[in-house]
Amino acid sequence: GAGVSQSPSNKVTEKGKDVELRCDPISGHTALYWYRQSLGQGLEFLIYFQGNSAPDKSGLPSDRFSAERTGGSVSTLTIQRTQQEDSAVYLCASSLVMDNQEYGYTFGSGTRLTVV
Amino acid sequence: GQNIDQPTEMTATEGAIVQINCTYQTSGFNGLFWYQQHAGEAPTFLSYNVLDGLEEKGRFSSFLSRSKGYSYLLLKELQMKDSASYLCAVRDLVTDKLIFGTGTRLQVFP
Repeated sequence: GAGVSQSPSNKVTEKGKDVELRCDPISGHTALYWYRQSLGQGLEFLIYFQGNSAPDKSGLPSDRFSAERTGGSVSTLTIQRTQQEDSAVYLCASSLVMDNQEYGYTFGSGTRLTVV
Repeated sequence: GQNIDQPTEMTATEGAIVQINCTYQTSGFNGLFWYQQHAGEAPTFLSYNVLDGLEEKGRFSSFLSRSKGYSYLLLKELQMKDSASYLCAVRDLVTDKLIFGTGTRLQVFP
């Protein structure tokens, strides 16, 4: 597609439920990143994919968080047994470096997760 | 590890020039990025510096000094629509991920 697509755009869930957040990166972008942004805070790195593998999972806050990517394209971030502190905007980005020209990350519009 | 500092808030007047500073400490550096983020929207890419010096793109310029761990974003001929948060980010040499500062919220007044 033309941009990075994330769904749902908004999600309200009850504490203790599981949620799945989806990211569809720009076609051809091999690198995919998940970040989260709490109100008034900077972007917190969660996990990074190169193709289908995740060389860096260091940002996942707990074992309730997991992510996968299939076919070098769509990625799903799963949060199990959600807690109120998980409430944030979850941003996905993909990137491409071509002909030594840096194009930076392209971010999706994010999923606003509210745990009540 | 990485540590990135930028001012929390700045104000400026329409038509003026504003400089947003960013200092960083890093164990491995592979480029510095500036992003703009309007409230409730995704960050959008503004500029990239990997070598020392100034990169100019229209009303926006970005400067990097690697020896000083310092960058700035310069916005000229400010417009009301420039009111946004400006995020400084450093790319880690080993992992390639971007480490973001907390952002500088810029308010432009008439």
